[in-house]
Amino acid sequence: KNEVEQSPQNLTAQEGEFITINCSYSVGISALHWLQQHPGGGIVSLFMLSSGKKKHGRLIATINIQEKHSSLHITASHPRDSAVYICAPGTDKLIFGTGTRLQVFP
Amino acid sequence: SQTIHQWPATLVQPVGSPLSLECTVEGTSNPNLYWYRQAAGRGLQLLFYSVGIGQISSEVPQNLSASRPQDRQFILSSKKLLLSDSGFYLCAWSRSRRGSPLHFGNGTRLTVT
Repeated sequence: KNEVEQSPQNLTAQEGEFITINCSYSVGISALHWLQQHPGGGIVSLFMLSSGKKKHGRLIATINIQEKHSSLHITASHPRDSAVYICAPGTDKLIFGTGTRLQVFP
Repeated sequence: SQTIHQWPATLVQPVGSPLSLECTVEGTSNPNLYWYRQAAGRGLQLLFYSVGIGQISSEVPQNLSASRPQDRQFILSSKKLLLSDSGFYLCAWSRSRRGSPLHFGNGTRLTVT
């Protein structure tokens, strides 16, 4: 069993839809990153959170450390949100999920 | 503000040739530095991390090595590349304070032919 499970693996949406990506992990950690990887390969760290909820623009991330579960939400999705979203438990030496490929169509 | 530079962006090398990828960080001192690799169709994997000059920890046995000759310089090397070394290599940094988030470079796409 993988240490990090993301669902769904692939996701297509129409512009404007509300998106949810889920992440469950089995390792004991104090924080978790959500990363965004664009087709060119570059990776941007969207959030690092250790409890509760964080919001940045249209992106919201939640985490329940006790239940070892985190979610990433995108409100009012847009084609430019199309990317691979990666859940990565850990603070610096991260363990990576295989990612969720999101495509948002106009 | 802090920035991370990684080069080259793409590289095609023959099997058996040497490798040197360089990463530098500006705007901070004594950062933790990391090399990650993403093989085709697979997730990211931590290769090396460093908490200071000359201090390198290897996470997985492999054909690669890392060095940190200066505080903000991290180099990934190989004496003889293998086909299996192909992949996308990412350098990252974080502040040395525990719980600091990671910041990634733009990556190097290496193809070994």
